[in-house]
Amino acid sequence: KQEVTQIPAALSVPEGENLVLNCSFTDSAIYNLQWFRQDPGKGLTSLLLIQSSQREQTSGRLNASLDKSSGRSTLYIAASQPGDSATYLCAGVGGFQKLVFGTGTRLLVSP
Amino acid sequence: KAGVTQTPRYLIKTRGQQVTLSCSPISGHRSVSWYQQTPGQGLQFLFEYFSETQRNKGNFPGRFSGRQFSNSRSEMNVSTLELGDSALYLCASSLSGGRAMNTEAFFGQGTRLTVV
Repeated sequence: KQEVTQIPAALSVPEGENLVLNCSFTDSAIYNLQWFRQDPGKGLTSLLLIQSSQREQTSGRLNASLDKSSGRSTLYIAASQPGDSATYLCAGVGGFQKLVFGTGTRLLVSP
Repeated sequence: KAGVTQTPRYLIKTRGQQVTLSCSPISGHRSVSWYQQTPGQGLQFLFEYFSETQRNKGNFPGRFSGRQFSNSRSEMNVSTLELGDSALYLCASSLSGGRAMNTEAFFGQGTRLTVV
């Protein structure tokens, strides 16, 4: 059974800092790994999808890496801004689009 | 391009009633998945439909059911509601394809169900 863990559970940083969010999964037989952000009371916004054949993906100030052999993924956020404050979720994608989510990292970026 | 649309956004129901939630996927997407989000359990997979067929199912009781129509729109139904069914129900759509052809999932804003 796939289990996904995210560390840290919460993070508070001043604006401008670079930060790393961690995601680990127990079953390396995932097909893809996807990172999302969720604002309070809202749905999920897709940030990055890393396919199993890839090692990393970049979008703007975001960079995500995937190491299937060690069961880890990291999301790097450069030059953080207050608008980045949200909960960040990673999900291992199994067969037939089944996403197994971590518990999330609550990020607060202070001006 | 319109995103994933879920209706209604909010629902209040009484224990024992049933409820139907609707999800319209992004145009061209044939896979629709449903998730339940609660503070205690986080995001849990309910089921996935592709071309009107359920391909995958999570570990939920039979009170939770779904279907998909020929236009890819999907509904989920919860019968005999319990207090513990109060949650945010999220729908995701993707292009998908075969078992291993998993593509980026896009989520709707969710339906907030409160059971009293």
